[in-house]
Amino acid sequence: DIVMTQSPDSLPVSLGERATINCKSSQSLLYSSNNKNYLAWYQQKPGQPPKLLIYWASTRESGVPDRFSGSGSGTDFTLTISSLQAEDVAVYYCQQYYTTPPITFGQGTRLEIK
Amino acid sequence: QLQLQESGPGLVKPSETLSLTCTVSGGSISSGSYYWGWIRQPPGKGLEWIGSIQYTGNTYYNLSLKSRVTISVDTSKNQFSLKMRSMTAADTTVYYCARLRILRYCSSTSCLGAFDLWGQGTMVTVSS
Repeated sequence: DIVMTQSPDSLPVSLGERATINCKSSQSLLYSSNNKNYLAWYQQKPGQPPKLLIYWASTRESGVPDRFSGSGSGTDFTLTISSLQAEDVAVYYCQQYYTTPPITFGQGTRLEIK
Repeated sequence: QLQLQESGPGLVKPSETLSLTCTVSGGSISSGSYYWGWIRQPPGKGLEWIGSIQYTGNTYYNLSLKSRVTISVDTSKNQFSLKMRSMTAADTTVYYCARLRILRYCSSTSCLGAFDLWGQGTMVTVSS
C-alpha cells in the first residue's frame, strides 16, 4: 500500500498569511507516460464531509478559489493557501490514486487561526 | 444538482451486520464516468476507503476489509449499498458515501480517481 504522510499535524496561521501543508508519499505518484501526478487534496470543515479541492496535484476543482494551489511531483507535494481566510479553517487531506486498491489518504492537517 | 444521502441504523450490536444505503438524487447512478464508494472516518480521525462499485456491479475493495464487506448497486432505485459483517467497537465511525470521478482508467481490479461529491455521512455506533 502507498502510505501518505502529511506535515504538520496542526498548523496555526494568521489571517491573510500564507499556509503551506505538505504531503509525502511512500512511492512516486508520477506516471511517466502522461507526466501526471496522481494526487488529490480535500478540505473538511467541522461537521461536514470532505470537499475535493485539487486533483492531478495542481488542477483546481471547479469553484475552488484561486488562493488554493497545489504543487509538487514524485513523492513530495504541497497545498498552499496564499492568503488565509477565516472560512479556510478546516482539516486538509491528501489522497493518492496512483495505485489502487487501496485508495489511501494522509492523516490530515488541522489548519487553524493563530 | 446531484446529491448523495446515506441511510441506515445508527446503532448496531457487536457481531451483527451493518447495512447502509446511499441514495443518489438529481442524476443517474448509471454513468460510465464514475464509480461510487464508501469511506469511513472515526470521530476526530482520518479517512479510510472501504470500497467502490460501478453501476455495472463491478467492485473493488480495501483488502483490509474485503473479507467482511459487500457493496452492491440497484440502478432501478439509483442506490448503492454497503454490508459489513461481524461488527465490533472498532467499526464505530462515520460512514460516507461518495462519487468517484474516474481520472485515468478503471480495470477489473482498480479504479483511478478522486471523490468529487460526498454525502453528509452517517454515524454508526457498535454497542450492545
